[in-house]
Amino acid sequence: LAKTTQPISMDSYEGQEVNITCSHNNIATNDYITWYQQFPSQGPRFIIQGYKTKVTNEVASLFIPADRKSSTLSLPRVSLSDTAVYYCLVGRSGNTPLVFGKGTRLSVIA
Amino acid sequence: EAGVTQFPSHSVIEKGQTVTLRCDPISGHDNLYWYRRVMGKEIKFLLHFVKESKQDESGMPNNRFLAERTGGTYSTLKVQPAELEDSGVYFCASSQEVRLAGMNTEAFFGQGTRLTVV
Repeated sequence: LAKTTQPISMDSYEGQEVNITCSHNNIATNDYITWYQQFPSQGPRFIIQGYKTKVTNEVASLFIPADRKSSTLSLPRVSLSDTAVYYCLVGRSGNTPLVFGKGTRLSVIA
Repeated sequence: EAGVTQFPSHSVIEKGQTVTLRCDPISGHDNLYWYRRVMGKEIKFLLHFVKESKQDESGMPNNRFLAERTGGTYSTLKVQPAELEDSGVYFCASSQEVRLAGMNTEAFFGQGTRLTVV
C-alpha cells in the first residue's frame, strides 16, 4: 500500500482558504485518493475522493497533478467548525479496508 | 436514515474482565469493518466482514479478540480477558458492496466505543 505523508498540524484564521497537501510517491495505477475528516469524539467522515485532475463537491476540492504523486485538499473559507483531523488515504477503491496515517490536525481560530 | 451506531460509548473495566462491543451498521450495507485507535497511535484496521463472513481478519491483535456478525446484520467484538494495552477507541464502519471496478463507496463510521482497561 502506498505510504502517505501529510503535515502534522496547521493553523488558519476563519474565512481563509486552507490547502492540505499529501505526498504519495508510490501510488499504484489502480489507487484512488480519499480524504476523511475526524472531529473529536467522533468517527472519521468521508469528504472527497478522486483519481486524477480535479474533483469538487459541496465541502471541498481535491487537486491531483498528472503524476498523481501528491494531492491537495482545498477547504474554501474555513470556519471554526472545520477544526478537525484530516486524513489522506491512498488505495484501491471498493471494499478494501482503509489504511490511516497520522493525519493533519487543522485548527481554525477566530 | 440512521447511521452506524455503536454501544456502549464508553466502557471502563478491570484487567481480566470481559467486554463486548456492539456495532449496528447502516441497513443494507454488506461490508462491516472494525478499527481501533490506541492512544497516540494511528487508526488501525482489525477486521472486515462481508455479510456474515470474515473477509479479512489480519488486523486482529490476538486470540483474546473475537468478532461475530450472525445473520449479517449487527456485529459484536468481544475482548476476553481484557488487558491494559487493549485500551483505546474502537470504531466500526460499514459500506455498500462494490460490484463495479473503480466504483467509489465511502465508509460510514460510528462514533466509536472508548474502552478503558484499568
